Amino acid sequence: DTAVSQTPKYLVTQMGNDKSIKCEQNLGHDTMYWYKQDSKKFLKIMFSYNNKELIINETVPNRFSPKSPDKAHLNLHINSLELGDSAVYFCASSPQGQIQETQYFGPGTRLLVL
Amino acid sequence: GDSVTQMEGPVTLSEEAFLTINCTYTATGYPSLFWYVQYPGEGLQLLLKATKADDKGSNKGFEATYRKETTSFHLEKGSVQVSDSAVYFCALTRKERDMRFGAGTRLTVKP
Repeated sequence: DTAVSQTPKYLVTQMGNDKSIKCEQNLGHDTMYWYKQDSKKFLKIMFSYNNKELIINETVPNRFSPKSPDKAHLNLHINSLELGDSAVYFCASSPQGQIQETQYFGPGTRLLVL
Repeated sequence: GDSVTQMEGPVTLSEEAFLTINCTYTATGYPSLFWYVQYPGEGLQLLLKATKADDKGSNKGFEATYRKETTSFHLEKGSVQVSDSAVYFCALTRKERDMRFGAGTRLTVKP
């Protein structure tokens, strides 16, 4: 059983397109996250979300928007894709988002924008 | 702001060598500290963590001690194996839902 799953695993698309990445967790956690990992492996938080609040990292362009149909899912929608959006995107979850909690990561989605 | 600084890699060791990967942090208050590992082509997995000063986290032969006086959380292993080859990330959380990662250190262990 996969705890945090993401689809697709790979995504190749043209500049200007709109795309979505899906994330699902079966851990019963209340809090989910999206991270971006660049080509140098640097990992940066983009969003955190629970049923009460969305926290957005101030560096994230508004072309990126998280959408949560229910507690177990947090999808990432990207409008007007740019070359610089090429990266690996990781979804994660934790029980309640408290500081001592472990975050559980998905396998990543490798996005390449041409 | 809160930040984590890791030693730059890559680190290349022979099997059974001793490993240290340095990690220092900048944060007010009492953050929780973590080491995550990323194997090739995979997501991050928790390796160990410590939530208060002087705590020692340990797992799979790896250890790290939360040192508030030196703001450090260095990762050590007494005898590395080829299967330990991966990228290691130090991370901290000082406030809810806000984990900050270091830049990652790539470790290659040769037989």
